[in-house]
Amino acid sequence: GAVVSQHPSWVICKSGTSVKIECRSLDFQATTMFWYRQFPKQSLMLMATSNEGSKATYEQGVEKDKFLINHASLTLSTLTVTSAHPEDSSFYICSARLSGADTQYFGPGTRLTVL
Amino acid sequence: QKEVEQNSGPLSVPEGAIASLNCTYSDRGSQSFFWYRQYSGKSPELIMFIYSNGDKEDGRFTAQLNKASQYVSLLIRDSQPSDSATYLCAPRAGGYNKLIFGAGTRLAVHP
Repeated sequence: GAVVSQHPSWVICKSGTSVKIECRSLDFQATTMFWYRQFPKQSLMLMATSNEGSKATYEQGVEKDKFLINHASLTLSTLTVTSAHPEDSSFYICSARLSGADTQYFGPGTRLTVL
Repeated sequence: QKEVEQNSGPLSVPEGAIASLNCTYSDRGSQSFFWYRQYSGKSPELIMFIYSNGDKEDGRFTAQLNKASQYVSLLIRDSQPSDSATYLCAPRAGGYNKLIFGAGTRLAVHP
């Protein structure tokens, strides 16, 4: 149980384009999902907390207009990186929290490369 | 001072030994604590969590928590080469939904 999927697993795009990443909880309902970014050999950095049916809460320093988050259902959250630039190249990982619990289960991650 | 401190390692232990991974945290409001394992190039996977002071065992893993000292640890018994990974300590931020991740300790188990 508690399986989280992400799509795509990797993406290469040109500078200036937008990329959408999907995060799905497959066998449970997740009222809260989280988006993280991890650069090589660095720690996980929380970007935003996504609550179903409401606006995401962004961490300090994360541009909400650049990283658009939508959490339209209890099993799906999306992250759109708008006008991507090479410095946005990173490993993007989502996690989902079981309703009423603290535990977060992570998706397999999406590796984004912006040329 | 970082919110969550972990020795970056690498911690090198021989196969079959006990690996001891330590973590200190600054938020006294934290009530739940999680250990995740992350293999290189992969996303974190949950090992176990602990809420109460003392020890909690799950198979070869034992989590230890001392809230007064703001200290949490993970012991891995009978370490295997497949345990070689980065171990992330993550207290839940007091009053918030989110976890605060440490930078992780890299464990290397050699045959």
